Amino acid sequence: GEDVEQSLFLSVREGDSSVINCTYTDSSSTYLYWYKQEPGAGLQLLTYIFSNMDMKQDQRLTVLLNKKDKHLSLRIADTQTGDSAIYFCADPNQAGTALIFGKGTTLSVSS
Amino acid sequence: DAMVIQNPRYQVTQFGKPVTLSCSQTLNHNVMYWYQQKSSQAPKLLFHYYDKDFNNEADTPDNFQSRRPNTSFCFLDIRSPGLGDTAMYLCATGTSGKNEQFFGPGTRLTVL
Repeated sequence: GEDVEQSLFLSVREGDSSVINCTYTDSSSTYLYWYKQEPGAGLQLLTYIFSNMDMKQDQRLTVLLNKKDKHLSLRIADTQTGDSAIYFCADPNQAGTALIFGKGTTLSVSS
Repeated sequence: DAMVIQNPRYQVTQFGKPVTLSCSQTLNHNVMYWYQQKSSQAPKLLFHYYDKDFNNEADTPDNFQSRRPNTSFCFLDIRSPGLGDTAMYLCATGTSGKNEQFFGPGTRLTVL
């Protein structure tokens, strides 16, 4: 079945870069998404990438997509303590009716 | 601001006592979703409405029902909550043809 896998934890120091990785199984998706969830809150769309692109940059965020390996990554430059949150990778299901989420990567930023 | 609103934000109920969670949206999106998110897990889709058409996920327990009286509102009814239903319940909206979803802040449900 469709699946999305992520590493569960990442710890970085303030000012360093963070790289969160994701692998997915359904390669038919038009878009792939990254969501951010702060404690006790809902999910906030952070960024997305069109499947025909290899890279998308949006201020401190860089998304890299390797369609051949079905690998997606999110790089956060100059990571701040406010970036501490859970980051979810999401891939639409084949029917396009729902998002399949990974288990989330907890990013911890220390000063 | 256009948004997705969930009420209440926190709900405590007793084992077996029916509970209703509410979601409303000002985005005028035709698709509304309900997800269950247990601690340290990914959000799991329970069901969604495509306009008035209800779409249930195959593994959603019968205990969970939903109503969508109009475009703006959608309700999640849990008929006889069990301890295992303690979770965050997330409502999201979207438009047909686009996978992007907009989430509300969630309702944290505790079943005692």
